[in-house]
Amino acid sequence: DIQMTQSPSSLSASVGDRVTITCRASQSITSYLNWYQQKPGKAPNLLIYAISNLQSGVPSRFSGSGFGTDFTLTISSLQPEDFATYYCQQSFTAPRTFGQGTNVEIK
Amino acid sequence: QVQLVQSGAEVKKPGDSVKISCKASGYTFTNYYVHWVRQAPGQGLEWMGIINPSGGVTTYAQKLQGRVTMTGDTSTSTVYMELSSLTSEDTAVYYCARDGKSVVINYYYHYMDVWGTGTTVTVSS
Repeated sequence: DIQMTQSPSSLSASVGDRVTITCRASQSITSYLNWYQQKPGKAPNLLIYAISNLQSGVPSRFSGSGFGTDFTLTISSLQPEDFATYYCQQSFTAPRTFGQGTNVEIK
Repeated sequence: QVQLVQSGAEVKKPGDSVKISCKASGYTFTNYYVHWVRQAPGQGLEWMGIINPSGGVTTYAQKLQGRVTMTGDTSTSTVYMELSSLTSEDTAVYYCARDGKSVVINYYYHYMDVWGTGTTVTVSS
């Protein structure tokens, strides 16, 4: 199975901060990398697919980059509604593994 | 609107089985595969498997092989996930999710674009 490792596991940030979350795959997944946001008690929500393609309705302050094994999710200016847990997920092969999550908290 | 509505919460005893439903609406049911993902309390997301509702072909996570069965009913646009021989480690929220797809530079990319309402399964003696 492909292991997905996110860092950090949690971070504290203020509104307006630039936030970066990284995700590393245990082998190359080329561009088959998705990002999800999950708020407490809610189902995950797709943010980005294929590294950098924003899902419809997702604000442009979210962006993704990377290729192969190393990927990044960036929030350019953190908003109050962005405090949540973020997961990367590979869609290169089954099982479609997720990272362990990054909890973005209010500083 | 496109939505996936799941069945209600379940409380089971160790050794029992549970069967969860996921009813699709707002899109052509047979055109999209459906994933099942679970989340134990305070933990991350675990992919369980995927089903093609048109034909019933499935792929399961190896750790659940032999205990999980995913089926589909095209007449009611519903997929089901049954998990047997439950233990306390199966206590989780279970989600179904549609397998969306897009073409980017001539390649198909897959993602989970619509998620179900979630079903809490509690396994306790």
